[in-house]
Amino acid sequence: AQTVTQSQPEMSVQEAETVTLSCTYDTSESDYYLFWYKQPPSRQMILVIRQEAYKQQNATENRFSVNFQKAAKSFSLKISDSQLGDAAMYFCALTGANSKLTFGKGITLSVRP
Amino acid sequence: KAGVTQTPRYLIKTRGQQVTLSCSPISGHRSVSWYQQTPGQGLQFLFEYFSETQRNKGNFPGRFSGRQFSNSRSEMNVSTLELGDSALYLCASSFEFSYNEQFFGPGTRLTVL
Repeated sequence: AQTVTQSQPEMSVQEAETVTLSCTYDTSESDYYLFWYKQPPSRQMILVIRQEAYKQQNATENRFSVNFQKAAKSFSLKISDSQLGDAAMYFCALTGANSKLTFGKGITLSVRP
Repeated sequence: KAGVTQTPRYLIKTRGQQVTLSCSPISGHRSVSWYQQTPGQGLQFLFEYFSETQRNKGNFPGRFSGRQFSNSRSEMNVSTLELGDSALYLCASSFEFSYNEQFFGPGTRLTVL
């Protein structure tokens, strides 16, 4: 069975500052993908970033980057230069051979102006 | 390309009724997955269809069913609605089965009275 744990229910960051959202996971598969999804108040789930487990290099998408620690089964998301539009719920998710996405409970990020 | 579309966006039903939700995937995507999102249980996987075949099923009662058509459009049906079925139902599509990121629709908000 796959599990994804997001232990922080809420975080807050000052506009223009950097924030890191934590995620740990567990899977018995050797090949898998990890994702961070953003869900703003509109409830539309938006893919932020993806990481293939076989790649050692951490993924980066503009202001978003991950710290993927495979041995520790840790997958954190760093948001640099935080903007008001980054305020949302963020979900860490895992998928493997069976294509099912397993999500964490999510973390609510607020951005202070 | 147009994104994933879901209809209807909002639905109000009473206990005991049945409901059908529709999802049109991104053009060219052959895999469609359904998820239920509630405040208490978070995001839970319902089922996944690929090329008109159910490839994977979550831990939901038989009242929840689905199907996929030859044009990859998918429907899910919930019979004998219960109050606990009130939720946001999200549909997601991906190009292939396995190891693919999934792109989500805006969801259908179902309220059971």
